[in-house]
Amino acid sequence: AQSVTQLGSHVSVSEGALVLLRCNYSSSVPPYLFWYVQYPNQGLQLLLKYTTGATLVKGINGFEAEFKKSETSFHLTKPSAHMSDAAEYFCAVVRNSGGSNYKLTFGKGTLLTVNP
Amino acid sequence: DSGVTQTPKHLITATGQRVTLRCSPRSGDLSVYWYQQSLDQGLQFLIHYYNGEERAKGNILERFSAQQFPDLHSELNLSSLELGDSALYFCASSVGAVYGYTFGSGTRLTVV
Repeated sequence: AQSVTQLGSHVSVSEGALVLLRCNYSSSVPPYLFWYVQYPNQGLQLLLKYTTGATLVKGINGFEAEFKKSETSFHLTKPSAHMSDAAEYFCAVVRNSGGSNYKLTFGKGTLLTVNP
Repeated sequence: DSGVTQTPKHLITATGQRVTLRCSPRSGDLSVYWYQQSLDQGLQFLIHYYNGEERAKGNILERFSAQQFPDLHSELNLSSLELGDSALYFCASSVGAVYGYTFGSGTRLTVV
């Protein structure tokens, strides 16, 4: 069964610093992987996704993630943090929930704080 | 606007009461998923409907039920409410999980 582990429930960076949010997955088959962002009092918004093809995936707001099969990782990065990036970030993997039913399984989330 | 509409946005009710949360999926999406988000439990999957049929159940209490109607909108019914049911309830829709979900802005339920 596929599952997701996000390392670090809280990450704090300075404005302008590199953002690195870690996600590892377990999967017996090639995975479909996603990153979502949730701003305060809002729903989750898709940042980027990996399905097949290029392993470096670019998303919205300058974020990108690299699928590394050998490390079973899909870490999210952004070269320079902005104050507006402060939010909670969720990694997710598609999981078979029985028969031909598939659903996303989410990690527990990482809260990103950006300090001025 | 994500295209997924949830009503109401806020709901305050007393313990023991029953409420209904409504979700209209994005046009063309046949799947609807319900999630509960609280500070202590995080994001919990409740139930999945596809084109009117229940497809998967997660950590949904027996006091909770859901359905998806022929026009594809979905309702989540919460009964015999307890203080611990206070949370954000999200609906998401999809054409298929491999394409990702589109989330609504949620309903914040407060049980007093």
